[in-house]
Amino acid sequence: KNEVEQSPQNLTAQEGEFITINCSYSVGISALHWLQQHPGGGIVSLFMLSSGKKKHGRLIATINIQEKHSSLHITASHPRDSAVYICAAEPGGGADGLTFGKGTHLIIQP
Amino acid sequence: EPEVTQTPSHQVTQMGQEVILRCVPISNHLYFYWYRQILGQKVEFLVSFYNNEISEKSEIFDDQFSVERPDGSNFTLKIRSTKLEDSAMYFCASSRRTYRMEQYFGPGTRLTVT
Repeated sequence: KNEVEQSPQNLTAQEGEFITINCSYSVGISALHWLQQHPGGGIVSLFMLSSGKKKHGRLIATINIQEKHSSLHITASHPRDSAVYICAAEPGGGADGLTFGKGTHLIIQP
Repeated sequence: EPEVTQTPSHQVTQMGQEVILRCVPISNHLYFYWYRQILGQKVEFLVSFYNNEISEKSEIFDDQFSVERPDGSNFTLKIRSTKLEDSAMYFCASSRRTYRMEQYFGPGTRLTVT
């Protein structure tokens, strides 16, 4: 069974700061998903990555398969980035249910 | 942009009652999922569904749960006899394929069992 750990659990930062959220997992995976959950509860997929790095606007996600570690970075953070960020591991071997981390609750203050 | 929809947004039911949660996945998607999130806890996988049968299920998905695709558009989760501990947010998701594919989530149904 894969254990997915995220850090930090909570993060408060000032607008404009560079944000890093970390995710580690215990068992090899086929892909790592980063998701965003807003206060209303809705979940939005941000990235799915199996190697290297992906960038979308101010968001950057990286993964190191050998170290079983992924990071999500937010550049020039803004109050609208305030949300819970969740990483989820997609197993290999034909299984398809995601294993989720507990999430990082991010607050960006103006 | 196509999206996954879920109804109802909030369901209140009494312990022991049956509930059916409904989802309409994105039309050209072939893989469907149910997840749940108990308040304050992490999201948990329940079941995946492909080609009109269960593809994978978790330990949570016991005999009290069932899934169905009754027609070409709806995907339902039924809980036969609800328990207090079934109170949670239930999310439906869909994807075009499995394996390294983004999953699109619905807005969720908040189930409250009293």
